[in-house]
Amino acid sequence: DAGITQSPRHKVTETGTPVTLRCHQTENHRYMYWYRQDPGHGLRLIHYSYGVKDTDKGEVSDGYSVSRSKTEDFLLTLESATSSQTSVYFCAIKPLGSGSSPLHFGNGTRLTVT
Amino acid sequence: AQKVTQAQTEISVVEKEDVTLDCVYETRDTTYYLFWYKQPPSGELVFLIRRNSFDEQNEISGRYSWNFQKSTSSFNFTITASQVVDSAVYFCALSELTQGGSEKLVFGKGTKLTVNP
Repeated sequence: DAGITQSPRHKVTETGTPVTLRCHQTENHRYMYWYRQDPGHGLRLIHYSYGVKDTDKGEVSDGYSVSRSKTEDFLLTLESATSSQTSVYFCAIKPLGSGSSPLHFGNGTRLTVT
Repeated sequence: AQKVTQAQTEISVVEKEDVTLDCVYETRDTTYYLFWYKQPPSGELVFLIRRNSFDEQNEISGRYSWNFQKSTSSFNFTITASQVVDSAVYFCALSELTQGGSEKLVFGKGTKLTVNP
């Protein structure tokens, strides 16, 4: 258990509403990531963070924003949800270590936009 | 940009059969890392193995083995004597350094393995 908690675990929302997903970690890891998982696409990176207030875009960042005001929390916001954002969202952390340490993932948030 | 290709979308085998999951990658980096993850039906993502580009030794862990070949840019995963509990989606991933000096993983689309009793 890498101490990652995602909330909520499930959410149903309507098109056009704002949605915020939260990722909380307990181990002060510097690097945090948001991925989405869709059938036929695998996992695709939305945004990532390399420190407090330091974030950057991934390959599918359109329609999403993130914030990291403290080490332990990484928030993903859909400003105006669309049906194409129906997906399973995974948060991940990357522990420091020699070479490239593997990402540890949270249990995911299943978001449905109706 | 990095790319990972898992050409097998779905594989179905009968228990005790051996099965190999293919992974082909593209990168311009001379130093990189490759990973395999397992996603069982319960949905969590479980790390299986990490391999760096300088270590081409095959690795075996119980019924699992990995064959890394730089010459063909492949990192294949074999399950020997498959079991029903091996049924899962398996992802291959490649590390990519970002411009800011941090790192991210690029994933393949996954291979769904079904092991039938």
